[in-house]
Amino acid sequence: GQQLNQSPQSMFIQEGEDVSMNCTSSSIFNTWLWYKQDPGEGPVLLIALYKAGELTSNGRLTAQFGITRKDSFLNISASIPSDVGIYFCAGQLKGGSEKLVFGKGMKLTVNP
Amino acid sequence: GAGVSQSPSNKVTEKGKDVELRCDPISGHTALYWYRQSLGQGLEFLIYFQGNSAPDKSGLPSDRFSAERTGGSVSTLTIQRTQQEDSAVYLCASSLGQINEQFFGPGTRLTVL
Repeated sequence: GQQLNQSPQSMFIQEGEDVSMNCTSSSIFNTWLWYKQDPGEGPVLLIALYKAGELTSNGRLTAQFGITRKDSFLNISASIPSDVGIYFCAGQLKGGSEKLVFGKGMKLTVNP
Repeated sequence: GAGVSQSPSNKVTEKGKDVELRCDPISGHTALYWYRQSLGQGLEFLIYFQGNSAPDKSGLPSDRFSAERTGGSVSTLTIQRTQQEDSAVYLCASSLGQINEQFFGPGTRLTVL
């Protein structure tokens, strides 16, 4: 099936540092979504991107829909301890159904 | 509440028993999805319902897995003759159909002994 390559798989950072993660694919996507999952909870939507080149911010989070429509990145600035969790990218394939394809996730640890 | 709800939150069962997991989507959402998440892994798509259309069952791992969505709202995922490898968190999500912002429930953690 279609795959999203999400990297890195994990990161350990100090509080206050910025962090960047990305997802790439060989396929073209119409939509990119970024989710965060806390332990024992379901994923929570952070940012949704619908247009190639779109750059969207949500507080300390910034995400971009790659111009080739095959990639997206998420940046978190000035990290805080509650940023800890697993971050997933997800995309809807061009010409596909409403199903989303998910990356394998990036586990973020923030040291106070 | 206004979000997606799932029940039970935890289920422990013995190998070979059947289990039913329930999902209540957000009111008005026409699309409903089931995913499976094994420990430390990403989300594995299982099945997708959209309105009155035939469900997309392409992700169901075996014929022991089935799902229904009654009245376009509540959905039940049934696993028959459970196996230990079925142990995982089962997540349900709903969305407004063509708008792909899926909203997830808290999941049901299934443990098969």
